[in-house]
Amino acid sequence: GDSVTQMEGPVTLSEEACLTINCTYTATGYPSLFWYVQYPGEGLQLLLKATKADDKGSNKGFEATYRKETTSFHLEKGSVQVSDSAVYFCALSDGTGGFKTIFGAGTRLFVKA
Amino acid sequence: DGGITQSPKYLFRKEGQNVTLSCEQNLNHDAMYWYRQDPGQGLRLIYYSQIVNDFQKGDIAEGYSVSREKKESFPLTVTSAQKNPTAFYLCASSIGETSNQPQHFGDGTRLSIL
Repeated sequence: GDSVTQMEGPVTLSEEACLTINCTYTATGYPSLFWYVQYPGEGLQLLLKATKADDKGSNKGFEATYRKETTSFHLEKGSVQVSDSAVYFCALSDGTGGFKTIFGAGTRLFVKA
Repeated sequence: DGGITQSPKYLFRKEGQNVTLSCEQNLNHDAMYWYRQDPGQGLRLIYYSQIVNDFQKGDIAEGYSVSREKKESFPLTVTSAQKNPTAFYLCASSIGETSNQPQHFGDGTRLSIL
């Protein structure tokens, strides 16, 4: 079945450092890919998405490119801030089974001032 | 503003008791979902509904029940059969027409055992 694998955390960075959180997927069809962010005590919020190969999703300085050849959707940011500290989830939806979304296990990011 | 409202934010359950978590959305979404999140873990799907009066079991449905009598509402009951109910419960919704639409989440209900 479909699955999402993302790098284990926690990831600890200093402010203004570069961020990469790796995400790879397995899917039988042509899924849409998403990154969600979860701040403490809250639900998930959509951060960005890409719906087809070579699409780049971007939002709030974060970017991720849909790479079909490597089945990857890595999250990147050039300069992180303390306010970026959160848990980040990679996810896919392939339109089957009631449009269920498959989530990765999440990667916790700590950014130090 | 449109969104998803979950209540209560915190809930305590006694042994042998059923409790119901509320989820209401005013986004006019067809599909709704319930997830369970344990500390340091990802999301596990409990139940989902694509349309009113229809719902399907997810990966961990045992000990839970749902109803979908109205498009806006998708309450989750945690029954006494669920022996380890302590967790953070998240409700979500989506348009449901295509796979490229994201899910929208509520702020969750944290359930604990007394």
